[in-house]
This record gives sequence, C-alpha cells and structure tokens, in this order.
Amino acid sequence: ETGVTQSPTHLIKTRGQQVTLRCSSQSGHNTVSWYQQALGQGPQFIFQYYREEENGRGNFPPRFSGLQFPNYSSELNVNALELDDSALYLCASSLPDKGIGGYTFGSGTRLTVV
Amino acid sequence: KQEVTQIPAALSVPEGENLVLNCSFTDSAIYNLQWFRQDPGKGLTSLLLIQSSQREQTSGRLNASLDKSSGRSTLYIAASQPGDSATYLCAVKAAGNKLTFGGGTRVLVKP
Repeated sequence: ETGVTQSPTHLIKTRGQQVTLRCSSQSGHNTVSWYQQALGQGPQFIFQYYREEENGRGNFPPRFSGLQFPNYSSELNVNALELDDSALYLCASSLPDKGIGGYTFGSGTRLTVV
Repeated sequence: KQEVTQIPAALSVPEGENLVLNCSFTDSAIYNLQWFRQDPGKGLTSLLLIQSSQREQTSGRLNASLDKSSGRSTLYIAASQPGDSATYLCAVKAAGNKLTFGGGTRVLVKP
C-alpha cells in the first residue's frame, strides 16, 4: 500500500510568480485535502477535493486553487505569490466515510518565496 | 468556530520520564480527534485516532484519552526516549470536511 506522495520537496519562487504543487493520494483514498503550515504553527486547512470537485474551503483567497484528477491525484496552484505564502504545504488523503475516518499526510512541499 | 489549543507549547524531560500532552477544543460536536507526530521540516505521522464515541485509544507506549463533553484530550507517552523528541499535534474533525489543528507541543527528551 503506497502512502501519500508530494512533489517537489522544496521550491524557491520569486514574489509575483505562480507555483504548482502535486500530490498522489494513498491507494484507495479518493478525497484529498491541502493544508498550509507556517513555521512554528499548526497546519491551516486550504481546501478539499472529492470526485474532482472542491468540497470545502478554508479562509484562503481565490489565488489558491486546486484540481483533482480521475486517478485521485491533486494539484495546488498559487498565483501572484506573496512573501507570506512561504510555508510547508501538506497534502492529506482520506475516505469519504461520513466523518469517522482519519487522514494520511504526505511529507510536504517546502515553498520559499523571495 | 472551532479552536484547538495545546499547552504547553514546549516541554523538556529527562529520558525515562512519562510525557503528558494536553489538547483542548471549544466545540464538542466533533467526529473524531487525531494525534500526529511531526519531525522538523517533515510531514505528519498519525499516532492515534479516537472516535467521538470512544474514551481512549492505545498503541504501544502511547495512550490517548478523550473527554468530549469537556473538550479535552490527553496524550500519554510512557517511559520517554530521545527518539520521542518531536512536535506533537492534535487535530479535531468536525462538519465542514476539514481538520482543525492545535499549535503543537514541541517535546525534547534529554538522554
């Protein structure tokens, strides 16, 4: 059983640029969520995808967008990067089991905006 | 709005001592609570998942309790080892398809 894999592991971008982060969900998991973790803080929910549609969104601006593909993998896109977007971006997969299941997280992508 | 708090923010103990990590949440309408471990710069490793109907879960040296009515969970780690040094995060799952995390407790176990 494969876990959640994220790519790339590290990324450096310039303010104003755009970035795409990728995530492959754990085998059998068809729901993918994205979280942003600033240094020294707990992760914050960005959004969740189920059946290729956004299925819940946190308090993030529209320049944070995502996609889910038929194989359940997902992308997080961030436009017009700002310095405060520097963070660890975590992807988690789960089953749509009416709330009772847990989440499996990937190792994250460390994004640095300069 | 659900808020999750973890106290203390940091903890240092000598090897062999038992660890007690606290997590509190403001809204008791949760599906479950999950404890995670995070090593520096790494992702999250799930330790224990407690359903809202359960009082505790155990795995090896780890035991987590849940008191939903008072909005509290405690993670106990018995006979701590230097390898237990990490940040421990609790997260609650409620309606809205998301986890709400606490800020974490950074643990250092000294040999």
